Amino acid sequence: NAGVTQTPKFQVLKTGQSMTLQCAQDMNHNSMYWYRQDPGMGLRLIYYSASEGTTDKGEVPNGYNVSRLNKREFSLRLESAAPSQTSVYFCASRGLAGALSGELFFGEGSRLTVL
Amino acid sequence: KNQVEQSPQSLIILEGKNCTLQCNYTVSPFSNLRWYKQDTGRGPVSLTIMTFSENTKSNGRYTATLDADTKQSSLHITASQLSDSASYICVVSAMGGTYKYIFGTGTRLKVLA
Repeated sequence: NAGVTQTPKFQVLKTGQSMTLQCAQDMNHNSMYWYRQDPGMGLRLIYYSASEGTTDKGEVPNGYNVSRLNKREFSLRLESAAPSQTSVYFCASRGLAGALSGELFFGEGSRLTVL
Repeated sequence: KNQVEQSPQSLIILEGKNCTLQCNYTVSPFSNLRWYKQDTGRGPVSLTIMTFSENTKSNGRYTATLDADTKQSSLHITASQLSDSASYICVVSAMGGTYKYIFGTGTRLKVLA
């Protein structure tokens, strides 16, 4: 049981380049999230998807797009990367019911540097 | 404004010692509070959840408390080990149509041998 898997783990981009961060979960969760983590700040929500086929903006959506390809996969795209997007990106999915209800399960993170 | 504040920002203790991390929140309407442990270079992992009616909950050497009246929570680590070195993040969930999480900035704990 892999949980939440993110790729790539590391990436260096030049300003203006585009890339897609991939995320997949094997826990049959409906809700999935993309966060960014910057030094001295709490995790900030970029986009989330409450269920397959739906996506909504979070706190810091500018410069990003997402796709909920199916129930398992939720990707994050940077169309034209900027140095301000240098960060660690985390994908998460939300537990369904019972004791795990509301618990977020995180991937290992994708460390992005934009030069 | 919904906020979660943690203290201290960082903490260094010797192996075997105890420590307590603090979390104050202003989140309404409150649903629950979780403590996550984040090892360096890894994603956060849930340690414990506190609901409105719970005062204390233990998970091994970790004990969380919640005072819903003062909107404060603490995480007490007993007999610390080197593997406890990590960031500890307090996350408060707000009730509402869309499940909402408010993250603290974390306390960075280093345990020295």
